[in-house]
Amino acid sequence: EDQVTQSPEALRLQEGESSSLNCSYTVSGLRGLFWYRQDPGKGPEFLFTLYSAGEEKEKERLKATLTKKESFLHITAPKPEDSATYLCAVQDGQNFVFGPGTRLSVLP
Amino acid sequence: NAGVTQTPKFQVLKTGQSMTLQCAQDMNHEYMSWYRQDPGMGLRLIHYSVGAGITDQGEVPNGYNVSRSTTEDFPLRLLSAAPSQTSVYFCASSRGGLAWTEQYFGPGTRLTVT
Repeated sequence: EDQVTQSPEALRLQEGESSSLNCSYTVSGLRGLFWYRQDPGKGPEFLFTLYSAGEEKEKERLKATLTKKESFLHITAPKPEDSATYLCAVQDGQNFVFGPGTRLSVLP
Repeated sequence: NAGVTQTPKFQVLKTGQSMTLQCAQDMNHEYMSWYRQDPGMGLRLIHYSVGAGITDQGEVPNGYNVSRSTTEDFPLRLLSAAPSQTSVYFCASSRGGLAWTEQYFGPGTRLTVT
């Protein structure tokens, strides 16, 4: 059975304090790993897709990396506007399995 | 482009009532899906469609029906609402096919069943 776990469940950072979020997965046939950002009361918003181990993608203060068992979302010098819930999901065939998310708060 | 739209935004039902959640996209996407989001459990796939006339079950399909008569629309039907179906429902679409891309999500429908 495909499974996705994320840690930590919640994270509080001071503005400028870099950190990483973890997404661990077990899937029989990985076709892609996706990172989304979700603001309260809104639908998830796409950030990155990673397809193979060793792949990295960057966007502003965010950098996503992928290994055979997990993915990391690195946040460098975060700002308060980076506060949100970050979701990862894996694609196995036509099916998408989401993790429970990490709730990030960045304090000014 | 409006992207993915969902109606209604909020809905309260009594146990046993039926209703349809509407979802439409204007991006000519092949793949559409419905998720429910509950606290601490993440998004769970209810049903999905890889094109007009083709639907399949996801992780939690019981109590829900779908159909896809056009590329644009993918309604979700609750035949007899139960309190366990209280949740936030999201519709999503993506290009699908051989070039899998990200999913675009609608704003969600918050459903309460009393």
